[in-house]
Amino acid sequence: GAVVSQHPSRVICKSGTSVKIECRSLDFQATTMFWYRQFPKQSLMLMATSNEGSKATYEQGVEKDKFLINHASLTLSTLTVTSAHPEDSSFYICSARESQGSNQPQHFGDGTRLSIL
Amino acid sequence: AQSVAQPEDQVNVAEGNPLTVKCTYSVSGNPYLFWYVQYPNRGLQFLLKYITGDNLVKGSYGFEAEFNKSQTSFHLKKPSALVSDSALYFCAVRDISGGSYIPTFGRGTSLIVHP
Repeated sequence: GAVVSQHPSRVICKSGTSVKIECRSLDFQATTMFWYRQFPKQSLMLMATSNEGSKATYEQGVEKDKFLINHASLTLSTLTVTSAHPEDSSFYICSARESQGSNQPQHFGDGTRLSIL
Repeated sequence: AQSVAQPEDQVNVAEGNPLTVKCTYSVSGNPYLFWYVQYPNRGLQFLLKYITGDNLVKGSYGFEAEFNKSQTSFHLKKPSALVSDSALYFCAVRDISGGSYIPTFGRGTSLIVHP
């Protein structure tokens, strides 16, 4: 089946640090990738949608300059949390959808647990 | 517009008993419907989907779901629950006719299977 690899799985760093999270589709081409944030015992909050080669579309309330998304190829998207602060601590999950057929399911990475001290 | 509701925050069931996790949806056109499962500290795993055709959809790990257009529901079921089925389950919908290619996820239902 389709595999999405997300790295790192866990990050612990000091306040003010910028953190980059990678999301790769290993065996399929992903025209569209999604970035979610999940708080404990809560649902997924869609942060942004990225299409290969174009700027990401951010959901209302998500700071573009804070959460930088790059989708440079059909297999890689990155999320950079710039100057992270404790309130940015969360579980971040990416997902990717195959380019052929919009009725295809999303394939999710295993998430990144970000802890800002 | 599209929306999805999972009315139960938590479902408790004894091992070996049948389980049902409820999902209802609202779309202006026809829906694509999905179920995903999330284990602790992991991403979501795809279980099954309804696109068209047979209303009863079979998926991974013995799960199935029934599409009911009149009740706008897509409940997840399994005939005999296992302790290992304990996880967080998400229903998602996308309105085929609505022009959005982004699915909407429900808030999730925690399934707890007791030994």
